[in-house]
Amino acid sequence: AQSVTQLGSHVSVSEGALVLLRCNYSSSVPPYLFWYVQYPNQGLQLLLKYTTGATLVKGINGFEAEFKKSETSFHLTKPSAHMSDAAEYFCAVSDLVQGAQKLVFGQGTRLTINP
Amino acid sequence: EPEVTQTPSHQVTQMGQEVILRCVPISNHLYFYWYRQILGQKVEFLVSFYNNEISEKSEIFDDQFSVERPDGSNFTLKIRSTKLEDSAMYFCASKQVLKETQYFGPGTRLLVL
Repeated sequence: AQSVTQLGSHVSVSEGALVLLRCNYSSSVPPYLFWYVQYPNQGLQLLLKYTTGATLVKGINGFEAEFKKSETSFHLTKPSAHMSDAAEYFCAVSDLVQGAQKLVFGQGTRLTINP
Repeated sequence: EPEVTQTPSHQVTQMGQEVILRCVPISNHLYFYWYRQILGQKVEFLVSFYNNEISEKSEIFDDQFSVERPDGSNFTLKIRSTKLEDSAMYFCASKQVLKETQYFGPGTRLLVL
């Protein structure tokens, strides 16, 4: 069975500082990996995804993530935090692209940006 | 840009009552999903639906739950007899065939009293 662990339920950084949100996964087959963001009172918005190919993927709002198979990790980073990045971030894994492909989510990391 | 919509945004109901949550997936998507997020917990998969039938369901999706695509645009989740523990945010999602990305609606917040 697949699973996702996000280290740190809360992360706080200063505006302009590096953002690093950690995600480790467990999957018996090559995974598809996703980061979603949830702003207050809104739904889940896709930030970026890894399926195949280049292991460093870039997403919206200046975020990027690197798939490291040896470490079973897919950490999310942004070089310089902005106040508007304050939100909850969810890492998710799925396997089949042909088929229903349910998403398995981590518990989420709430990112706070300090002025 | 097309988006998934959900109604109502909030619903309050009494324990034991039936509720129907509605979703309009993106028009050219053929896979539909329901997820839920109990306050403070992770987003959990409930059910996936394709070609007018359930393709996968979780342990949470017991006989009290059902899904339906009553027409060409709506996708519904029915809870027959709500329990207190059904209080959660329910998200609908949809995706295209042979694509990876699921697109989520804004959610329906269900409160069971």
